[in-house]
This record gives sequence, structure tokens and C-alpha cells, in this order.
Amino acid sequence: GDSVTQMEGPVTLSEEAFLTINCTYTATGYPSLFWYVQYPGEGLQLLLKATKADDKGSNKGFEATYRKETTSFHLEKGSVQVSDSAVYFCALSEGGNDMRFGAGTRLTVKP
Amino acid sequence: SQTIHQWPATLVQPVGSPLSLECTVEGTSNPNLYWYRQAAGRGLQLLFYSVGIGQISSEVPQNLSASRPQDRQFILSSKKLLLSDSGFYLCAWSVRRGQLNYGYTFGSGTRLTVV
Repeated sequence: GDSVTQMEGPVTLSEEAFLTINCTYTATGYPSLFWYVQYPGEGLQLLLKATKADDKGSNKGFEATYRKETTSFHLEKGSVQVSDSAVYFCALSEGGNDMRFGAGTRLTVKP
Repeated sequence: SQTIHQWPATLVQPVGSPLSLECTVEGTSNPNLYWYRQAAGRGLQLLFYSVGIGQISSEVPQNLSASRPQDRQFILSSKKLLLSDSGFYLCAWSVRRGQLNYGYTFGSGTRLTVV
């Protein structure tokens, strides 16, 4: 079945460092791909999404490109801030069906 | 605009007691509704989803149940809580247009501690 694998955390970076969180997926067709962010004690918020190959989703300085050839959707940010500390979830949905989430990656940014 | 309300925010319940968590959505009709559980430091586990009133699909067998008595209301219940039911429960909704899923909107979650 469809699944998502994302890099295990925790990830600890200094402020202004470059961030990459890897995400790869397995699907039978052409899924939509998502990144969600969960701040401490809160629900998940949609960060960005891409619905077809080569689409780039972007929001709040974060970017991810839908790579069908490598079945990947890596999350990147050029300069992280302390306020970016959160848990990040990669997810996919195929055919409009329920979403499959990765295990989540905890990011801590230190000043 | 669409909003989702989930309550209570925190709950401490003794083992063996009943549970009822409620989720309501405003500003949309006929949403798909979901209950997820997030155990401490772990990912999301889909518990139930519903595509319409009275239609409930269960992903995992357990002592929890779900009901959808109205179009925009989704309830998670248990007759007798177990210690292992502790976790962070999240309700979510989505609208499906054709074959595309435009993403889920999550509630703020309920932290349940069973003691």
C-alpha cells in the first residue's frame, strides 16, 4: 500500500542554518504530497503541498519539489529561525483517499 | 471561512471510565472527517474516518468507536478506557474534489491521560 518514509529525528540546527528533511514515498499511481507542521501542544497545520510531478510547494520560506523519478518530496529552508522549531510530517494522498503520514521529524533550532 | 472545533483540550480520566470527544466543523458541507491518535513522541495513527452521516470506517480494532450523528459532527467514544488509550487525539476534515485531496485541516487536539 501507499506509504511515506521520512528521515528520523531529532534534528538540531543553529539559527540561520540550512534545513533539509528527507521524504520518500511509495504509491501505485500519482499521489498528492504534503508537508504539515505541528508546533508544541497544537494540532497539525498544512505547510505546503504539490499535486503533480515537478510542482514546487512553498510557504513561509519552506520549499519542496515533487520528484517522481526519485519518489521524493524533501523539505528545505535556506535559513531557519528559532520559531521553526516543531515536528514536521510528510504525507501523501492518492485518488482522494485518506492521507498517509510519515512518522514525523522533530526540529529544534537553537539561537 | 471553514473552522474546526475540538474539545476538550485536555482530559484526565481513570481507567475503566467512559470517553466522549467531540469535533464539529463549520463553513463547509459534506466533509470527510477523521480521528487520529498521536502517542507521545510518535507519528499519527488513523483511527476512524467518515465520508457521510452514519458512515464510519475503522482502521484499527480497539476499544474505541466513532459516530457521525450530523453532517459536521464527529464523536470519538469509549465505554471503558485503558491506560494505552492515553495520547493526543486529533480531528480533521477534508473536502475531496474529483481525484485530488486538497489537504486536511486539523483541530487543535485533545490530550488524554488515562490514570
